[in-house]
Amino acid sequence: NAGVTQTPKFQVLKTGQSMTLQCAQDMNHNSMYWYRQDPGMGLRLIYYSASEGTTDKGEVPNGYNVSRLNKREFSLRLESAAPSQTSVYFCASRAYRASTDTQYFGPGTRLTVL
Amino acid sequence: DQQVKQNSPSLSVQEGRISILNCDYTNSMFDYFLWYKKYPAEGPTFLISISSIKDKNEDGRFTVFLNKSAKHLSLHIVPSQPGDSAVYFCAASEGNQFYFGTGTSLTVIP
Repeated sequence: NAGVTQTPKFQVLKTGQSMTLQCAQDMNHNSMYWYRQDPGMGLRLIYYSASEGTTDKGEVPNGYNVSRLNKREFSLRLESAAPSQTSVYFCASRAYRASTDTQYFGPGTRLTVL
Repeated sequence: DQQVKQNSPSLSVQEGRISILNCDYTNSMFDYFLWYKKYPAEGPTFLISISSIKDKNEDGRFTVFLNKSAKHLSLHIVPSQPGDSAVYFCAASEGNQFYFGTGTSLTVIP
């Protein structure tokens, strides 16, 4: 049981290049999330998918697209990377039960855009 | 505007003493409040949560208190241990979205 996995762990891009960050979870959770973490800003929600086949914008969606490929996988795409997208990206899945509500996070992808 | 705020960027506590981390929020519609712990180069790890209908939840050395009238929650760690040194994020959920504070870096001094 690997939990939430993310690839790659590190990436360096040039301005204007594109790339896709991959995320998979093996906990059979319905909801999945993409966040970015910047110094002094906490975690900010980029996009989320409440269930397979649905996606919605979060606080900071500009410059990103997402795909919920199936229940396990949720990818984040940068079509034309900009230096402002330099950040650490975390994927999470949500466990929602009657008595508790939490998210499980992947290890993160550290992205640098030059 | 930030809906969840952690006004103390850092906190230092002696081993064995109590650590108190604070968090304020502005949205009265939040359903759940959560605390996460984060080590460098790792993802956040869930620590403890509390429903908006409760005012206290305890799990071992960790207790979360919720004061809805003041829109304030706190995390108490007793006794503090060196392994507790990490960044702590509070978060709140409304429907499908979660909102995070900016984090408090806790250092427990042996």
